[in-house]
Amino acid sequence: GAVVSQHPSRVICKSGTSVKIECRSLDFQATTMFWYRQFPKQSLMLMATSNEGSKATYEQGVEKDKFLINHASLTLSTLTVTSAHPEDSSFYICSAPDRVEQTEAFFGQGTRLTVV
Amino acid sequence: QKEVEQDPGPLSVPEGAIVSLNCTYSNSAFQYFMWYRQYSRKGPELLMYTYSSGNKEDGRFTAQVDKSSKYISLFIRDSQPSDSATYLCAMSEKYFNKFYFGSGTKLNVKP
Repeated sequence: GAVVSQHPSRVICKSGTSVKIECRSLDFQATTMFWYRQFPKQSLMLMATSNEGSKATYEQGVEKDKFLINHASLTLSTLTVTSAHPEDSSFYICSAPDRVEQTEAFFGQGTRLTVV
Repeated sequence: QKEVEQDPGPLSVPEGAIVSLNCTYSNSAFQYFMWYRQYSRKGPELLMYTYSSGNKEDGRFTAQVDKSSKYISLFIRDSQPSDSATYLCAMSEKYFNKFYFGSGTKLNVKP
């Protein structure tokens, strides 16, 4: 089946630095990808919708200048956490619906970000 | 009020028990209802999805949707230790579009 690959799976960074997370659809084209964040013992919360070739759409309360999303190709979306702070430490997951096969939305493995 | 409310866990049952997991929601525009299973430090895996109201069965799993009550359920028959995971309900207005998730119920099936 279709696979979404997310990289890195785990990253530790210092406060004030930036971290880039990649999300790739391996065998299907994803014109849309979704980025979620999951804090411990909480649900996945949608952060933004990444659209290939256009600006991302951010959910209320998510700072677009802090969480930069780029969807430059039909198989790759990136999320960059800029000027990271400890409160940004979380589990970030991307998702891409397979609109051609229309079977389901596939999730990446997730990225555990720890800001120290 | 959260868009989706899910019964808090953890839920601990003996092997072979029938498990009932539930979610309620407030947005009447939701049309697609999904159940995902998530193991620790992994991304969610789709178990089942249902469009609109009704029941759907897949092996030991049965999903039910009652749109009039804004209530969905997942039943697991003959539960196995390998079913131990966190179960997330998710909903969307459009087909596999952006999802709204419940907080998850952690299930532990004891041998």
